[in-house]
Parts: sequence; C-alpha cells; structure tokens
Amino acid sequence: KQEVTQIPAALSVPEGENLVLNCSFTDSAIYNLQWFRQDPGKGLTSLLLIQSSQREQTSGRLNASLDKSSGRSTLYIAASQPGDSATYLCAVRPWTGANSKLTFGKGITLSVRP
Amino acid sequence: ETGVTQTPRHLVMGMTNKKSLKCEQHLGHNAMYWYKQSAKKPLELMFVYSLEERVENNSVPSRFSPECPNSSHLFLHLHTLQPEDSALYLCASSQGADSGTEAFFGQGTRLTVV
Repeated sequence: KQEVTQIPAALSVPEGENLVLNCSFTDSAIYNLQWFRQDPGKGLTSLLLIQSSQREQTSGRLNASLDKSSGRSTLYIAASQPGDSATYLCAVRPWTGANSKLTFGKGITLSVRP
Repeated sequence: ETGVTQTPRHLVMGMTNKKSLKCEQHLGHNAMYWYKQSAKKPLELMFVYSLEERVENNSVPSRFSPECPNSSHLFLHLHTLQPEDSALYLCASSQGADSGTEAFFGQGTRLTVV
C-alpha cells in the first residue's frame, strides 16, 4: 500500500528565504507526482506535475524534483513571500492507469513571516 | 478559477436531512472524483467515475451516494449523516489515460453535520 509522508508538518520562515519542502513515498512504481497548494478552507490548486520519466519541473519561483528510485520529491521555493503561506501537499498516482487514485501526504503548512 | 466548480461552498445539515453536493467541470475531462478531507488527515478518495461509470468505490458508507449523469457533472447525495462526516468535500477531474492526467480540484464544500 502506497504511503506518502511529508515532514515537517509545519514550517515558519522569514520572507526572502529559499526553502525546500520534502515528500517521500514508499512504492516507487508511480505514474506521476503532483504538488498542490491549499489555502485555508479552500480547494487544491495544482502547482506542478512531474511524470515518472522526468526529473524536475519548474514554474516561476517553484521547482519540483523527483527521484523515483529513492521515493523522494522536493518542492523548492525561491525567495519566499508572505503570499506563499499555505499548505503544500504532494500526491502520487500509481502505475495502474490514469483513473486510479492519487495518494496524498498530510501536507506541510508553510508560514512566511514579513 | 480552476474550471471545477462546487456548490454549495458551505452546508450545515442535521443528521436526518437529505442534501446533495454538486460538482461541474468545464475542462472536457472524462474522469471525476470525490475526496474527503478531515482535519489532520490526508485526503481520502471516496469515488471515481470514468466516462460516467463508477470505477472505484473506496469502501464508503452507503449514506454517501454518488451520481454522474454526464461527463461534466458529479453529485454526492447525502442522507442520515453522522457528526464525524463533517469535513471538506473536494471534487476533482482529470483527463483519461496517456495524457499526463493532471488533476484539477474545485474549491470544496465545507460540510458540518449537527
């Protein structure tokens, strides 16, 4: 059974700092991995999707990497801003078809202090 | 705006009530999902519909009844719920196999059972 772990559960950093959010998963047979952002009481916003054959994806100040063999992904946020404060979730889709379920971590709640 | 719309955004219902949650996607996707997000737990997949057919039911109690009348609409019918069913219910959609299958989420319905 796939398990996704995100540690720590919460993180507080000063504005301007570069930071790395970690995600680990137990079964490396994944189809893709997706990072989401969730603001309090809101839905999920997709940030980056990495296919199993890819090593990284970039969007603006965000860079996500994937090391499938070691079961790890990182989300790098450059020059953090207070507006980045949110919960960041990673989710993996197993290699059994597109309609199979995403398995989520519990998320990392990030607070960026002005 | 992600292209996935959920209504209502908030719902308070008694344990003997019957209500329905609605989800609509304007992305041309052929797979739709219901997830439950409870406090301090990972998102839990409840139901998956592909091409309007239910392809997965993740051991969800029968007091939750999904309906997918067409590929753009998904409902979750609720009856005789329990207080522990209070949670954020999220709808998502994705395209079928072989296309990257990025999942897009709605803003969720915050359900409180009293």
